[in-house]
Amino acid sequence: GAVVSQHPSWVICKSGTSVKIECRSLDFQATTMFWYRQFPKQSLMLMATSNEGSKATYEQGVEKDKFLINHASLTLSTLTVTSAHPEDSSFYICSARASLAGESDTQYFGPGTRLTVL
Amino acid sequence: GQNIDQPTEMTATEGAIVQINCTYQTSGFNGLFWYQQHAGEAPTFLSYNVLDGLEEKGRFSSFLSRSKGYSYLLLKELQMKDSASYLCAVMDSNYQLIWGAGTKLIIKP
Repeated sequence: GAVVSQHPSWVICKSGTSVKIECRSLDFQATTMFWYRQFPKQSLMLMATSNEGSKATYEQGVEKDKFLINHASLTLSTLTVTSAHPEDSSFYICSARASLAGESDTQYFGPGTRLTVL
Repeated sequence: GQNIDQPTEMTATEGAIVQINCTYQTSGFNGLFWYQQHAGEAPTFLSYNVLDGLEEKGRFSSFLSRSKGYSYLLLKELQMKDSASYLCAVMDSNYQLIWGAGTKLIIKP
């Protein structure tokens, strides 16, 4: 089946630094990738939708200058948390929507990246 | 390798009961999640099981057997709005989420 990977799995950083998280679709091309944030035992909160080669669409309340998203290819999207602060500590999950015929509605989720900002 | 298996699609009748099964093989276990996802929307958290047994929450219940690597989500008194995809996800020993492919549930009047 389709596999989505994220790197790193977890990261600890100092307040004020920037952290980049990669999301890759390993065996399929993804025209659209989604970035979510999850708090413990809560629903996934959609942060932004990114389409390959175009600017990401951010959800209301998500600062686009703080959470930079780059979807440079059909298999890679990156989320950069700039000037991270402790309140940005969370579990970040990406998903990729396949561009295969007949599977355009299926999202495949990554394993998540746990960010801790000290 | 790690994998989660759940049926691709199920059909049920409004007012009935449906059980969606999920079996898993993971390196370690730190809990199993069920999410509901309507088309075009973000997944909504339904339940979290880390101990064996049944957890009931209104019309939805979730069961876990760690020894069998098995869980199910039970939906009672089905409503049309329950038509959605149901995702099973296991958190492994590294606190990473391993996702099932989702079960598309179709409710018929």
